[in-house]
Amino acid sequence: KQEVTQIPAALSVPEGENLVLNCSFTDSAIYNLQWFRQDPGKGLTSLLLIQSSQREQTSGRLNASLDKSSGRSTLYIAASQPGDSATYLCAVRPFISGNQFYFGTGTSLTVIP
Amino acid sequence: EPEVTQTPSHQVTQMGQEVILRCVPISNHLYFYWYRQILGQKVEFLVSFYNNEISEKSEIFDDQFSVERPDGSNFTLKIRSTKLEDSAMYFCASSLTSGSTNEQFFGPGTRLTVL
Repeated sequence: KQEVTQIPAALSVPEGENLVLNCSFTDSAIYNLQWFRQDPGKGLTSLLLIQSSQREQTSGRLNASLDKSSGRSTLYIAASQPGDSATYLCAVRPFISGNQFYFGTGTSLTVIP
Repeated sequence: EPEVTQTPSHQVTQMGQEVILRCVPISNHLYFYWYRQILGQKVEFLVSFYNNEISEKSEIFDDQFSVERPDGSNFTLKIRSTKLEDSAMYFCASSLTSGSTNEQFFGPGTRLTVL
């Protein structure tokens, strides 16, 4: 069964800092990996989707990379802002599970003004 | 921008009662999902639905759960006889495709509290 781990569990940074969130998964046979943002008590907002054939995806200040062979993905946030404060989740879709995503426990990010 | 909507935002029920959670997926999407998140735990897959039938389900999705697309826009999750451990946030999601470009879009969730 696919296991997805995210470290650190919580991160606090001053505004303006660049930061990296980490996601690791145990089964490298995946269709894709998706990063989400979750605000307290709210739903999941899709940030980036990386297909298995891709190495990275960029959207604005966000850049996500994928290294399937090592079972890792990183989400890089440039010039962090207080509005970036949220929990960031990665979810992996293995070949054997069809459309089912396996989620990590998330990294809770606080950006201090 | 199109979005997935869910109603109600919060549902409180007594143990043993039936509840129906409702979702309106993005209009041109073909694949529909339910996930749940127990407080403080990971988001967990429940079921996926395509072409008016269940395509996959997890171990959590036992006989007390059912899904339905009663018309062209709604997608529902029914829990027949709720238990205390069913208390969780339930998320509906939809996607246009099922391949490697399968980007799932989530609704805001329904918080279910079973007393």
